[in-house]
Amino acid sequence: GEQVEQRPPHLSVREGDSAIIICTYTDSATAYFSWYKQEAGAGLQLLMSVLSNVDRKEEQGLTVLLNKKDKRLSLNLTAAHPGDSAVYFCAVSVNYNQGKLIFGQGTKLSIKP
Amino acid sequence: GPKVLQIPSHQIIDMGQMVTLNCDPVSNHLYFYWYKQILGQQMEFLVNFYNGKVMEKSKLFKDQFSVERPDGSYFTLKIQPTALEDSAVYFCASSLGRRGPEVFFGKGTRLTVV
Repeated sequence: GEQVEQRPPHLSVREGDSAIIICTYTDSATAYFSWYKQEAGAGLQLLMSVLSNVDRKEEQGLTVLLNKKDKRLSLNLTAAHPGDSAVYFCAVSVNYNQGKLIFGQGTKLSIKP
Repeated sequence: GPKVLQIPSHQIIDMGQMVTLNCDPVSNHLYFYWYKQILGQQMEFLVNFYNGKVMEKSKLFKDQFSVERPDGSYFTLKIQPTALEDSAVYFCASSLGRRGPEVFFGKGTRLTVV
């Protein structure tokens, strides 16, 4: 079945710098890709999602890149601020109609002042 | 964004007892899910539910687990009997499915089995 690897597990960047989180997946039939933010004690907030026909999507300081050849998905946060401190998860799905998501292991992002 | 509500937020229960976790999905959503997150670990799919039926379940969805959504009310996860290894945070989620693949999650119910 699908395997998702996420790295790094921990990331610390200075306020105003960029942060990049990467996920690799194994199933070339993967059709749906998403990123979630989980703040301490809270649920998962959907940040962005793309289907497999999209290579790049930008919204509000976030950029998602999809490289289907390398089976790699990345999330780039530009100009990080303290409110970005959280755990970030990628989540992918082969059959997005039924929403069974396979999650990465998570990246704990810390923003230093 | 769309809200999925989960009740209660915390539940402590004696091993062997029954527990029901309640979820109020987004009102027009069609697919409903439960995920399990053990502290500090990744989210794992348990089950999805559509049109009154379980569509798919993972190996984590033990025989002691059951789901239902009677007459459009709460979508529930029942564990009977509970075991110590069931201690985790359980997240409910919902989506439109084909008409919208985005999956929205609730804040989770922290279940502690003692």
